[in-house]
Amino acid sequence: AQRVTQPEKLLSVFKGAPVELKCNYSYSGSPELFWYVQYSRQRLQLLLRHISRESIKGFTADLNKGETSFHLKKPFAQEEDSAMYYCALSGGGSNYKLTFGKGTLLTVNP
Amino acid sequence: NAGVMQNPRHLVRRRGQEARLRCSPMKGHSHVYWYRQLPEEGLKFMVYLQKENIIDESGMPKERFSAEFPKEGPSILRIQQVVRGDSAAYFCASSPLGQGGLNYGYTFGSGTRLTVV
Repeated sequence: AQRVTQPEKLLSVFKGAPVELKCNYSYSGSPELFWYVQYSRQRLQLLLRHISRESIKGFTADLNKGETSFHLKKPFAQEEDSAMYYCALSGGGSNYKLTFGKGTLLTVNP
Repeated sequence: NAGVMQNPRHLVRRRGQEARLRCSPMKGHSHVYWYRQLPEEGLKFMVYLQKENIIDESGMPKERFSAEFPKEGPSILRIQQVVRGDSAAYFCASSPLGQGGLNYGYTFGSGTRLTVV
């Protein structure tokens, strides 16, 4: 069975501080990992995926297979980063189906 | 391109009534996926459809729930005889591809929030 765990329901930081949103997964094969973001009153949108090894809006995430983690990091948080963040996994050859974590609500205070 | 359109945004039904949720995929997308988000939970996959075909319904409850994606018109998620436990946000996504769709334009709608009273 595949599972995604986001241990922090809420995370609050000050503007300019580093931020790390944790994500751990359970999957026996080689998963694909994604981070999705939902800003207030907007639709869920893809932030980044591990296969792209990209940085979007200053966020990065590295897949650590040894620790089965895919933590999302940003060195200097901005107020506009306040949103709900979901870690998600796809595996088993069905590259159309996502398993989501419960999400972390990030609040960046001025 | 208006994106993935879901309607209604909010739907209130009394116990025992039917709920019909609609999803119009993005232009050029022929693959549709439905997810359900119960309160305090992450989104959970329900069903994957192509035009006139159900490809994967492994996440659909066995009773009362059905989905279709006709040749013409939007995809419909239908819940018969709703119960309070059906109260949730229902999200639709679409992509131009099935296999590999996650890496090619997989796009979510804004969701329909169903409340059963």
